[in-house]
Amino acid sequence: DIQMTQSPSSLSASVGDRVTITCRASQGIRNDLGWYQQKPGKAPKRLIYAASSLQSGVPSRFSGSGSGTEFTLTISSLQPEDFATYYCLQHNSYPQLTFGGGTKVEIK
Amino acid sequence: EVQLVESGGGLVQPGRSLRLSCAASGFTFDDYAMHWVRQAPGKGLEWVSGISWNSGSIGYADSVKGRFTISRDNAKNSLYLQMNSLRAEDTALYYCAKDIGHDYGDPNFDPWGQGTLVTVSS
Repeated sequence: DIQMTQSPSSLSASVGDRVTITCRASQGIRNDLGWYQQKPGKAPKRLIYAASSLQSGVPSRFSGSGSGTEFTLTISSLQPEDFATYYCLQHNSYPQLTFGGGTKVEIK
Repeated sequence: EVQLVESGGGLVQPGRSLRLSCAASGFTFDDYAMHWVRQAPGKGLEWVSGISWNSGSIGYADSVKGRFTISRDNAKNSLYLQMNSLRAEDTALYYCAKDIGHDYGDPNFDPWGQGTLVTVSS
């Protein structure tokens, strides 16, 4: 199976900071990856699909990049509503999917 | 309003079985792929299993393959997860989630239910 290693597992940041989260795949997955945001008690919301395409309605401060085995989610200027847990999810091995371990973004 | 209501969780001994159900309403159930996703206490999300609209595509996480079986009954607007040979590490809150497509080759969960807790312990 494809393993997704996400880092860091948590980070503390201030409003306005630039934040970068990384996912590494155990083998090449082309661009078959999405980024999801989950707030407590809520379903995960997809922010990015196909590694770098912004989901409709998602603020442009979110961006994704990467292909193959290394992927990045960047929040260019962290806003109060962005404090949440972020996950990557690969679907290259469809019908099997794999989440990364998650990154909790906390207020500094 | 789209609703997903999970049931069937509980306390079960290691090695025993449990069947989870998810009752769907507010949308045309047989148009969409469905998922089971779990979250162990204090841990991240783990995708468990998915099934396409017509059950033609089914997938499992390696951690449950051979022990869990996903199924759906489109006539009853219901999704199921048969869990056999349960282990302590299967302890988690199990969520049922609707995808936005017939298949889930480009997964997007919207929405999911409140979850049902499965505790595996002697």
